[in-house]
Amino acid sequence: EAQVTQNPRYLITVTGKKLTVTCSQNMNHEYMSWYRQDPGLGLRQIYYSMNVEVTDKGDVPEGYKVSRKEKRNFPLILESPSPNQTSLYFCASSLSSGSIYYEQYFGPGTRLTVT
Amino acid sequence: DAKTTQPTSMDCAEGRAANLPCNHSTISGNEYVYWYRQIHSQGPQYIIHGLKNNETNEMASLIITEDRKSSTLILPHATLRDTAVYYCIVRVAQNYGQNFVFGPGTRLSVLP
Repeated sequence: EAQVTQNPRYLITVTGKKLTVTCSQNMNHEYMSWYRQDPGLGLRQIYYSMNVEVTDKGDVPEGYKVSRKEKRNFPLILESPSPNQTSLYFCASSLSSGSIYYEQYFGPGTRLTVT
Repeated sequence: DAKTTQPTSMDCAEGRAANLPCNHSTISGNEYVYWYRQIHSQGPQYIIHGLKNNETNEMASLIITEDRKSSTLILPHATLRDTAVYYCIVRVAQNYGQNFVFGPGTRLSVLP
């Protein structure tokens, strides 16, 4: 089944404790992206990657890191989480062919609470 | 990317057509209209997209006005499972590296 998976789905952690949220897709998509969703603010893009070893900042990259060493994986790293990073996080992927944009497939979400 | 305006919420009776409007009066000639939906707190789900012609797939129909300043997403026979937030997004198809802006959307409630 074609899908985007995220782990963990739920996480409660404390300020300053490094964490990684994994994202994996099995559709051989070039493009992957991370979003966070907060009440009243909608979905905002954190980072995106157009292919292996190619990443760039989205609208709200502060406090986050990403890497893209393999095509299927795009982990989100919080080096020193803070309470304002409490949010619902979504990973997404899409096919890209030349310059054409295709629809994004989203993962199930990771609900993170930082105390 | 052009800004969109959608009603905050709508109700629809189960089995009836749900017509969700979207205004995008500043849309450019090379910008597509995309529709996604989000059921509860699940990941958004792609529904349909179009440039200027009307489009139909197994989920919905998209009607774009001739001047492209507005569009309507039609769910022909709404079910309770169609209750969700529906997002209308306009963006350049070639701009896949840039932000894909999800506004507040329309909260559709399908009523039994």
